[in-house]
Order: sequence, then C-alpha cells, then structure tokens
Amino acid sequence: DTAVSQTPKYLVTQMGNDKSIKCEQNLGHDTMYWYKQDSKKFLKIMFSYNNKELIINETVPNRFSPKSPDKAHLNLHINSLELGDSAVYFCASSQGDRGNTEAFFGQGTRLTVV
Amino acid sequence: GEDVEQSLFLSVREGDSSVINCTYTDSSSTYLYWYKQEPGAGLQLLTYIFSNMDMKQDQRLTVLLNKKDKHLSLRIADTQTGDSAIYFCAELPPGFQKLVFGTGTRLLVSP
Repeated sequence: DTAVSQTPKYLVTQMGNDKSIKCEQNLGHDTMYWYKQDSKKFLKIMFSYNNKELIINETVPNRFSPKSPDKAHLNLHINSLELGDSAVYFCASSQGDRGNTEAFFGQGTRLTVV
Repeated sequence: GEDVEQSLFLSVREGDSSVINCTYTDSSSTYLYWYKQEPGAGLQLLTYIFSNMDMKQDQRLTVLLNKKDKHLSLRIADTQTGDSAIYFCAELPPGFQKLVFGTGTRLLVSP
C-alpha cells in the first residue's frame, strides 16, 4: 500500500520536450508538495497545494506548472525542458499545512534531460 | 547565512555512536526534523523536536536542540551498517507552510 506514489520513476527526454510527472496520495492529506533535489542532494521546495489551492510557489520558472485536479493528486508539467532541469523530483503530502504533521514523501522521479 | 548547514560526510565504525550536526537559520522555527534518505529512495521522517524542548530520545536516536545557537544534532547510538544513508535536518519557520531542508550529511558505517 503505497502512501505517496509518483510516476514515472525514471524519465529521460530531450531538451525542448514537454513532460509530466504524476503524484497521488492515498492518505487523505489535504496538503501536497513538489520538491526538487539537485545533483548535490540539495532539496528545495517548488510548490505547495492545500485543498487544491496553490499556497507556495518558490520562484520556479513558468515552464513548470503544477495542477491539482483534486486533493489526492498533484501533477507537475514541465514545458520546454532544459538541461538544468535534470534532477530528482519528490512529491510529498501532509495533513494540514503547519505544525508537526509528518510529510510523507514519494520515491522520487529521476528526470534526465539530454 | 541563508542555508541550513550540515557537514557533508561522516564515517563511523559499526557499533560506534554517530553525531550529525545541523545549524538552522530561523530562531523562531517551531519544529525541527530529521529525515533519512537511503540510496534511490524518498525521505523518511526519523524524528522531530518542538522548539520548546532541548532534548528528545527515541530508541537509538537522541536529538539535542540549542536554540540560542540555532544548533540541532542527531545522535545515533550503536550505529549499524543499515544506518548508512543521507541525513537531512529541516526546519519549519513560523507562518511558512514548507520545510526548509539542510544540505544533507552522508553517513557511512563500516563493519
């Protein structure tokens, strides 16, 4: 029973393409996140949604567009992929948007842009 | 500084104690966390501490918090080879709805 699942796990694509990463959580949480982990393992938040509403957008290029059709799903669409977009993207969810609520992470999507 | 800082590497022998240190940025952060990332995997929450505590113990894990110096540490007693992973501290600044992660410490445990 996977709590937070992302697809695909690996994605290799050429520069200039458009791609999507999907995320689903079955925990009943109302907040979902996208984090980016670069080659040095540095983790930084990109977006946060609470009940399908965008609450955090951390100066991410417009080429990245999150979409939350319902509170169990948060997808990430990336247009015109660039080499610098290569990273591991983690989806996470938590109950509530503050406090000690544990954030559960997906297994990550390793994106390689060639 | 702007980043939550951690030392990059720590190498210990099996059975020893490991201490991983973290310096965070916001003295008003309400919660501080330790996450573990094994190779090719996502992040797993190990433990957390409220900002009004200075110590928390959870089995082999001991968290120490020094609010004055904005210093957080994680001690793993009787370290095992299965503890080899990257450990991230994270803070939750007040009013923000996001975790700010440290730079990560790669722990290597040798037999």
